[in-house]
Amino acid sequence: DAGVTQSPTHLIKTRGQHVTLRCSPISGHKSVSWYQQVLGQGPQFIFQYYEKEERGRGNFPDRFSARQFPNYSSELNVNALLLGDSALYLCASRSDTSYNEQFFGPGTRLTVL
Amino acid sequence: AQSVTQLDSHVSVSEGTPVLLRCNYSSSYSPSLFWYVQHPNKGLQLLLKYTSAATLVKGINGFEAEFKKSETSFHLTKPSAHMSDAAEYFCVVIGILTGGGNKLTFGTGTQLKVEL
Repeated sequence: DAGVTQSPTHLIKTRGQHVTLRCSPISGHKSVSWYQQVLGQGPQFIFQYYEKEERGRGNFPDRFSARQFPNYSSELNVNALLLGDSALYLCASRSDTSYNEQFFGPGTRLTVL
Repeated sequence: AQSVTQLDSHVSVSEGTPVLLRCNYSSSYSPSLFWYVQHPNKGLQLLLKYTSAATLVKGINGFEAEFKKSETSFHLTKPSAHMSDAAEYFCVVIGILTGGGNKLTFGTGTQLKVEL
């Protein structure tokens, strides 16, 4: 079975631009979460979606937004990019039956110049 | 709010010797705790999880962790290190979101180096 997939794997943008990152959860998983991992730090929670509804948001500015589609895939959008947005963006999915366990994708490495 | 503190940012061991990675937690209720491992340029992999069942939890690749409520600790151990264990390890606590979901709160990570 395929795990969590993310695209693209790497991305280079310049300050002020906008970026869209994509995630496909494990088949059957209805919940998707996004995390930001800055170099040398642990991942930080950004959003969680369940059946297209936002279930929670971390301490991130409004430049960050997300949505979930009927097939449970998800997009993370970041507007007006700053140098500090350079990070590894991780997507995780979980099933209804294993509520506490989240499975992570390989991440998208975003570099903002 | 739930939080975890990893007490060592770097740990270096010789191959074949024991590994100890330390983690303390803070939680207003009985926590669910995890250890994840991240190898270079790879995603996060769950090593083991504690969800209020047995206090000694066995995970993959010979790792185990013991939940000690009196010490608010959840240290990760392995009897004999292997070169392939070299990676970043994260102690994680789960928190409940007001919207009904859950989120993972990660520690700052411990970089494990294994030397010949």
